[in-house]
Amino acid sequence: AQSVTQLGSHVSVSEGALVLLRCNYSSSVPPYLFWYVQYPNQGLQLLLKYTSAATLVKGINGFEAEFKKSETSFHLTKPSAHMSDAAEYFCAVKDGGSNYKLTFGKGTLLTVNP
Amino acid sequence: GAVVSQHPSRVICKSGTSVKIECRSLDFQATTMFWYRQFPKQSLMLMATSNEGSKATYEQGVEKDKFLINHASLTLSTLTVTSAHPEDSSFYICSAGPSSYNSPLHFGNGTRLTVT
Repeated sequence: AQSVTQLGSHVSVSEGALVLLRCNYSSSVPPYLFWYVQYPNQGLQLLLKYTSAATLVKGINGFEAEFKKSETSFHLTKPSAHMSDAAEYFCAVKDGGSNYKLTFGKGTLLTVNP
Repeated sequence: GAVVSQHPSRVICKSGTSVKIECRSLDFQATTMFWYRQFPKQSLMLMATSNEGSKATYEQGVEKDKFLINHASLTLSTLTVTSAHPEDSSFYICSAGPSSYNSPLHFGNGTRLTVT
């Protein structure tokens, strides 16, 4: 069974600083990986996805993530944080089997300080 | 992009009553939809997989008689919380995706249920 571990339940950065949110996965088959963002009292919005094409994936709002098989990681980065990036971020994995279910990490709350 | 609409966004009901939440895929057909529950400051917990034209598949520990799911068409799934109790108060989110396996799921904006 697949699983996702997000290191750090809370990350705080200054506006303009680098954002790094960590995600490690466990999957018995090549995974499909996703990052979602959730603003308060809203659903989840897809930031980006990895589906076995390019290992460096670019998403919306200037975010990108790199799939590293050797490290079983899919960390999310953004070169320069903006106040509007403050939200909860979830990493999720969908395995290569026949089910469509997503397994989510516990989430990382990003705060951006002025 | 794909859009999933969830309604209502917020509902308050009295203990013992039932509440229905709708989830619609607006620009694609969804043979499968998913219902999640999210507790404050926690991740999403998958409750059940809703299959169009057949019975839902519930995750372990989820009471199927309490959380009734109906997926009568390719664009609509409903979750009914029956005989609601205060402990059912939570944030419920549905999701769906086009029928391509490597396509991501798209999420509704969630329903905040408060049972008094």
